[in-house]
Amino acid sequence: QKEVEQNSGPLSVPEGAIASLNCTYSDRGSQSFFWYRQYSGKSPELIMSIYSNGDKEDGRFTAQLNKASQYVSLLIRDSQPSDSATYLCAVTTSYDKVIFGPGTSLSVIP
Amino acid sequence: SAVISQKPSRDICQRGTSLTIQCQVDSQVTMMFWYRQQPGQSLTLIATANQGSEATYESGFVIDKFPISRPNLTFSTLTVSNMSPEDSSIYLCSETGVMNTEAFFGQGTRLTVV
Repeated sequence: QKEVEQNSGPLSVPEGAIASLNCTYSDRGSQSFFWYRQYSGKSPELIMSIYSNGDKEDGRFTAQLNKASQYVSLLIRDSQPSDSATYLCAVTTSYDKVIFGPGTSLSVIP
Repeated sequence: SAVISQKPSRDICQRGTSLTIQCQVDSQVTMMFWYRQQPGQSLTLIATANQGSEATYESGFVIDKFPISRPNLTFSTLTVSNMSPEDSSIYLCSETGVMNTEAFFGQGTRLTVV
């Protein structure tokens, strides 16, 4: 079983809609969870960190964490064409290493 | 987060040769890591660069192929040895910030082996 899994995508949403990205992880000892955005040809950019169960909101982004279900999600409200990118879920393992999921490609259609 | 500088930013190399990638951080950091991102793929952790001791390699990566140095708390190098076209990837250096949690990245090194 892969350590971090994401919905495979690609995901297409119309401009102004909500984009929902999902992630599951296998290490129950994980304590830190992240969402990165990566534009083509660029390095990953951290957009959200979440450490405790529940929701965390930052502007148009909301991260949701459920440790019991080993599930993390990212909601992007009022999606914009500039949000079109690959979104990477990442998890800190019990050994303080950051492991990345395979990524979900998001396309926001004007 | 610290500012991370990597060089070279890109290179085209002949098979059988080696390339050393340098990673410089503008402040002392405890943890430094090297990742590989193959075309169309996500990031795969190669190793943890430990200051003053040997690097800790992930499954599938070995020191002979990817020797790593970490002479101090601000600098690390990754060498890709005896390169083949399969080594064509982006190589990324990262540090985990003050909280030793999230990873922050340099701009990466885009390597093409011909």
